[in-house]
Amino acid sequence: KAGVTQTPRYLIKTRGQQVTLSCSPISGHRSVSWYQQTPGQGLQFLFEYFSETQRNKGNFPGRFSGRQFSNSRSEMNVSTLELGDSALYLCASFPGSTQETQYFGPGTRLLVL
Amino acid sequence: QKEVEQNSGPLSVPEGAIASLNCTYSDRGSQSFFWYRQYSGKSPELIMFIYSNGDKEDGRFTAQLNKASQYVSLLIRDSQPSDSATYLCAATGTASKLTFGTGTRLQVTL
Repeated sequence: KAGVTQTPRYLIKTRGQQVTLSCSPISGHRSVSWYQQTPGQGLQFLFEYFSETQRNKGNFPGRFSGRQFSNSRSEMNVSTLELGDSALYLCASFPGSTQETQYFGPGTRLLVL
Repeated sequence: QKEVEQNSGPLSVPEGAIASLNCTYSDRGSQSFFWYRQYSGKSPELIMFIYSNGDKEDGRFTAQLNKASQYVSLLIRDSQPSDSATYLCAATGTASKLTFGTGTRLQVTL
């Protein structure tokens, strides 16, 4: 099976812009989770989608949003970018039950100037 | 207090030795535990998962869970230079959110 794919792999944006990141899960997986990784805060949970519905949400401001499509592909959007949003954004897919192993994609590295 | 805690290291072990990585968690509702390996500039890669008390072995890796002590560990036998990476401990509870520790950097020296 193909793994989790994320596009784009690298992005450079300026403050105030918005960005959309895409994640395609492993075939057959219905859940996608998004995480932000920074040197200072480590890996932090953003949100999780299952069958097109947000099932869980982390403690991030409303500038961070996401959605999931009927084919399980997911996108996350960050509006009004801040310098502190520079990070590695990771998505993970899993079949759907809450205790299942999550498999990570390669990540999108976002740099905000 | 962080929910999942790990010693940041670096933990340095000679090639061929056993590396022991430790993790404690504060949420007694945590049910499943995962060890991920992350090489610099790469994404986390699953090494093992465990949800029952005791030991679970997979090749050179053994995960240990003690729910009474809220302690998870990962042993790597016959450590190789290619094992040099950051090892992330993560836990889930009733929700599917993974809560990560800050990771332990392992260095395997020749």
